[in-house]
Amino acid sequence: KQEVTQIPAALSVPEGENLVLNCSFTDSAIYNLQWFRQDPGKGLTSLLLIQSSQREQTSGRLNASLDKSSGRSTLYIAASQPGDSATYLCAVTQLNTNAGKSTFGDGTTLTVKP
Amino acid sequence: EAGVAQSPRYKIIEKRQSVAFWCNPISGHATLYWYQQILGQGPKLLIQFQNNGVVDDSQLPKDRFSAERLKGVDSTLKIQPAKLEDSAVYLCASSLVDYIYYEQYFGPGTRLTVT
Repeated sequence: KQEVTQIPAALSVPEGENLVLNCSFTDSAIYNLQWFRQDPGKGLTSLLLIQSSQREQTSGRLNASLDKSSGRSTLYIAASQPGDSATYLCAVTQLNTNAGKSTFGDGTTLTVKP
Repeated sequence: EAGVAQSPRYKIIEKRQSVAFWCNPISGHATLYWYQQILGQGPKLLIQFQNNGVVDDSQLPKDRFSAERLKGVDSTLKIQPAKLEDSAVYLCASSLVDYIYYEQYFGPGTRLTVT
């Protein structure tokens, strides 16, 4: 059974700091890994998707890396801003017949202080 | 492109009552997922459809939860009777069967409070 762990559970940083969020998973037979952002009371917004054959993906100030063999992914946020305050979730997808099945971590709640 | 639609957005019921949630996925998305997200936790998959067939319902409490996806488009999730521990956000997501990305797109969720 796939298990996904995110550390730390909460993180508070001053504005402008670079930071790293961690995600680990127990079964390396994944198809892809997705990082999501969730604002309070809202649904999930996809940030980055990394295919199992890829090592990293970048979007603006965000960079996600994947080391499938060790079961780890990191989300790097550069020059953090108060608007980055949210909960960040990672999810690994495995194939279930010809459909993807995702397992989520419990998230890291980020607070960026002005 | 319109996103995943869900209704209602909020629902408050008493325990032992029944409730139903509705989801309309992104047009053309064959795969539809229902997740339960308890406060402070990540989403947990309840049921997964591909077109109108069930792919995975291993974590669905079948004694009280049911779901259907008629005509392979929109879907309803029902709880009957509700328990206090069912208080959570119910998220619907959809994805293409594109054999490449399997990227999921989420709706805004329905927040259920059982009193």
